[in-house]
Amino acid sequence: QVTLKESGPVLVKPTETLTLTCTVSGFSLSNARMGVSWIRQPPGKALEWLAHIFSNDEKSYSTSLKSRLTISKDTSKSQVVLTMTNMDPVDTATYYCARIISKWLPPDYWGQGTLVTVSS
Amino acid sequence: QSVLTQPPSVSGAPGQRVTISCTGSSSNIGAGYDVHWYQQLPGTAPKLLIYGNSNRPSGVPDRFSGSKSGTSASLAISGLQAEDEADYYCQSYDSSLSGVFGTGTKVTVL
Repeated sequence: QVTLKESGPVLVKPTETLTLTCTVSGFSLSNARMGVSWIRQPPGKALEWLAHIFSNDEKSYSTSLKSRLTISKDTSKSQVVLTMTNMDPVDTATYYCARIISKWLPPDYWGQGTLVTVSS
Repeated sequence: QSVLTQPPSVSGAPGQRVTISCTGSSSNIGAGYDVHWYQQLPGTAPKLLIYGNSNRPSGVPDRFSGSKSGTSASLAISGLQAEDEADYYCQSYDSSLSGVFGTGTKVTVL
């Protein structure tokens, strides 16, 4: 079955760079049109789209966070990595990765999410 | 930052029908991008409820329905049940090619 699992630090300091890994199973990142997105949700707040990447390496980023984000994939490891630079306490959130089976379709399978706290 | 606007909350008695609106702009919903809806129960990841404006994934009850018109979309829940109490989010894409979410709506069953 399709699963996605986020991993990374639970606590980062302000100004540090966050690196999150999404490990997928039940599908291949090399499948035509397949993609993975990263989405976050601050405690008690709304969902926010961060970035997505497709099997052909096409990428897209949130307009407001583009300068701080980098998304990449390692197909052989079934992993998608998101880095976010210059972390701030307002970036405290649960970070989710989710599968997209084709461009313009919604994420259908989601990971359980990982809570990242930014604090000194 | 949420680009799509939803009412903060809606409520209804069991069995009633409630609707949630999702208002966008000419750069997202109005540009022709489909609208999708998610249900999020407390402490869990969002679950896809409606895709492509009005389609239900397998397993989603037909009490849930969606529609789109112009720069807006709506989700309707008929025959409201206690288990429907959750947060609901609309989602689309915009001309920057990025995804966008709504502000979220909390549904309360009275």
